[in-house]
Amino acid sequence: SAVISQKPSRDICQRGTSLTIQCQVDSQVTMMFWYRQQPGQSLTLIATANQGSEATYESGFVIDKFPISRPNLTFSTLTVSNMSPEDSSIYLCSVVAGSSYEQYFGPGTRLTVT
Amino acid sequence: AQKVTQAQTEISVVEKEDVTLDCVYETRDTTYYLFWYKQPPSGELVFLIRRNSFDEQNEISGRYSWNFQKSTSSFNFTITASQVVDSAVYFCALSEGNAGNMLTFGGGTRLMVKP
Repeated sequence: SAVISQKPSRDICQRGTSLTIQCQVDSQVTMMFWYRQQPGQSLTLIATANQGSEATYESGFVIDKFPISRPNLTFSTLTVSNMSPEDSSIYLCSVVAGSSYEQYFGPGTRLTVT
Repeated sequence: AQKVTQAQTEISVVEKEDVTLDCVYETRDTTYYLFWYKQPPSGELVFLIRRNSFDEQNEISGRYSWNFQKSTSSFNFTITASQVVDSAVYFCALSEGNAGNMLTFGGGTRLMVKP
């Protein structure tokens, strides 16, 4: 299994600012994913972040708005840039770990943009 | 492209009732994985089960059971003798190819269990 922590757990930010969310895993993992969950909605994949390569973004998400770093096999960051109220969501990182390719999720970062 | 549909957006039951959450999926791959996650009010996602496309055996874990039917592209989840602590949003998800690929989530079903 994998234990994932995210920082911050929640934040309230002003429109136009940026927030960087950290995801730390207790073991080395190859694949990491960042998801967004808007209020009352399901989860949508933002991007896939593999160590040593550029993140791959899903349709509707761009690097300028959601830059991602993956400096090593246990850590990643997602930045939400130039925030607007529409960015208010829970942001979750997910990893694939173990011989059975289980997918684990972090506790999420609850972001409110005012 | 893959798609997961959870037609029930909200279900309300009284404690000790059985409840079934429906999940229908679409995929062109012959190899895929299906998941169920629970999201309690705290917000974190709790993994419940993963099933691959080649294993149609139903599974039971305590009060939880899952019915996988490829013929109808469904992967339904039943909670027997529901409890108030089962109140949460439940998500069905699909991963195409190997299990380490991205997940496509259904819209979720909010289950409310009343005492």
